Amino acid sequence: AQKVTQAQTEISVVEKEDVTLDCVYETRDTTYYLFWYKQPPSGELVFLIRRNSFDEQNEISGRYSWNFQKSTSSFNFTITASQVVDSAVYFCALSNNNQGGKLIFGQGTELSVKP
Amino acid sequence: GAVVSQHPSWVICKSGTSVKIECRSLDFQATTMFWYRQFPKQSLMLMATSNEGSKATYEQGVEKDKFLINHASLTLSTLTVTSAHPEDSSFYICSARVRGAGFTDTQYFGPGTRLTVL
Repeated sequence: AQKVTQAQTEISVVEKEDVTLDCVYETRDTTYYLFWYKQPPSGELVFLIRRNSFDEQNEISGRYSWNFQKSTSSFNFTITASQVVDSAVYFCALSNNNQGGKLIFGQGTELSVKP
Repeated sequence: GAVVSQHPSWVICKSGTSVKIECRSLDFQATTMFWYRQFPKQSLMLMATSNEGSKATYEQGVEKDKFLINHASLTLSTLTVTSAHPEDSSFYICSARVRGAGFTDTQYFGPGTRLTVL
């Protein structure tokens, strides 16, 4: 069975703090894909990143960075120097093409960045 | 990224009426679209997979006759909530799958439709 766990339901930080959102996944497939999406208060999910299981290279995009570790089945997301505009719900998701591209979502982490 | 639109963005209807929600891929063709519903403070729940030119595949527990899905073209899928009741009130979100080389598929989401049934 496939499962994504985001243990942190809510996180509150003060602006300019760094924050890490945890994501742990379960799958028996050797090939799979991991995603992070951002859902601001407006409701629209915004695609942030996709990572293939065969590519463990970490990625940095501006203030965002992702740490993919197959050994611990984790795909954590770090925001450096957080800003108020980062306040949103962040979802981690898992997919494999054997299921037609279906996404298995975690429960989401609500990040609140206070000024 | 790819752009997906939804219409309407919000709708209020009376109990017993039917409501149609449209999902369009604006700058790409999508052979596969997905429909989700999301309750407040909860994650997205996949309702069905919509394939162009064929019947939708519904997830377990989702009523096919209640939630009618039509994917008549490569850029449009529609979800019709038939005989809506207050418990159908929710946030409905569609996504479209962009096929990439080497199985680099990615789903892009529409802005969602907030349905309120009185």
